[in-house]
Amino acid sequence: EADIYQTPRYLVIGTGKKITLECSQTMGHDKMYWYQQDPGMELHLIHYSYGVNSTEKGDLSSESTVSRIRTEHFPLTLESARPSHTSQYLCASSGSFPELANYGYTFGSGTRLTVV
Amino acid sequence: KNEVEQSPQNLTAQEGEFITINCSYSVGISALHWLQQHPGGGIVSLFMLSSGKKKHGRLIATINIQEKHSSLHITASHPRDSAVYICAVRSNYGGSQGNLIFGKGTKLSVKP
Repeated sequence: EADIYQTPRYLVIGTGKKITLECSQTMGHDKMYWYQQDPGMELHLIHYSYGVNSTEKGDLSSESTVSRIRTEHFPLTLESARPSHTSQYLCASSGSFPELANYGYTFGSGTRLTVV
Repeated sequence: KNEVEQSPQNLTAQEGEFITINCSYSVGISALHWLQQHPGGGIVSLFMLSSGKKKHGRLIATINIQEKHSSLHITASHPRDSAVYICAVRSNYGGSQGNLIFGKGTKLSVKP
């Protein structure tokens, strides 16, 4: 079944560690997104990609980086985690063309990151 | 002024009540999404609309493109409907065409 997968679901890590949050989708979507969400707050777009080798920064400045080497894979990396990075990170994907059946958005389950 | 406005921000209902959440937007869009987020964080896409009305079970979503307004209705509400409901529009302009613009969400609590 086509879906979007995020791992890990929960991560507690020490300050200064490098982390990579994984996101993969099996829907053949061109577009992928990373959102950051603090508890009870709105979603903020931090990175997006419209296809392989395409990445853009979103509306909210983030110290994280992303890569898109394969269509289905859009990992997010923090080189040196800090307590201010504690948040929930949600991955999403969407199709590009309104006339196609895969135009809708699909969200992953999220990664809840705690940096201690 | 936010490009996507939702009301109400918070809503408490008794089980069985009919619920309406409203969304107004001020930008050109290619589609409007209604999303549901339960405590614990996962987001589910309930509807994607570009015109008219859609129904899925007890949920109904409508959109009026001319008035730039959408509503989400829940019939015979149940405590398991308690969640945050988010209206999001898919812009059709500018460099970020296709990205979602989110409303602030409506926190719904349905009491038994």
